[in-house]
Amino acid sequence: NAGVTQTPKFQVLKTGQSMTLQCAQDMNHEYMSWYRQDPGMGLRLIHYSVGAGITDQGEVPNGYNVSRSTTEDFPLRLLSAAPSQTSVYFCASSSAGQRNSPLHFGNGTRLTVT
Amino acid sequence: GQNIDQPTEMTATEGAIVQINCTYQTSGFNGLFWYQQHAGEAPTFLSYNVLDGLEEKGRFSSFLSRSKGYSYLLLKELQMKDSASYLCAARRAGSYQLTFGKGTKLSVIP
Repeated sequence: NAGVTQTPKFQVLKTGQSMTLQCAQDMNHEYMSWYRQDPGMGLRLIHYSVGAGITDQGEVPNGYNVSRSTTEDFPLRLLSAAPSQTSVYFCASSSAGQRNSPLHFGNGTRLTVT
Repeated sequence: GQNIDQPTEMTATEGAIVQINCTYQTSGFNGLFWYQQHAGEAPTFLSYNVLDGLEEKGRFSSFLSRSKGYSYLLLKELQMKDSASYLCAARRAGSYQLTFGKGTKLSVIP
């Protein structure tokens, strides 16, 4: 079982460059989300989606865009990378049908912006 | 809003028992999750509590008191492989979102 797959695993960008972090899940989960994890800050929610065509902002959405055209995919776009976006990014999904459904995390993308 | 607090670091001895506390303030509460995260890896699900009481899963147990806004994760018979960060996360009623605490880094020493 693949679960949640994130690509790439590592990425280095220069300030001002744009890129898309990919996330795909094969569990037919309705809910998908993006977190960033920084030392001393914990996991912070960037954007989330409760189904295809529906997205909303989390705690730290500035500088990021998302779309959800299919149930399986939830890409995260950095429009103009900044050093403050250096972080580890996790995509996570869960079933919307059960209240005890846990988040399943991808293996993360380690992004450095110089 | 949600404000989740847990200790930053803890150290315990192999074979011992350790309790990691978590307090939360939620405007509507719908469940408390615990995750384990080894260095350089993704978080993995450990336990879920929504009602008061203790949930036991092998060496790991989790407790919830809704009236006190308090939970703890109890790890028994500690092993070196239990060295990791433990994340407490709360789900708000009517939402699928999880808000995470900053995590507790547990070091298990011989």
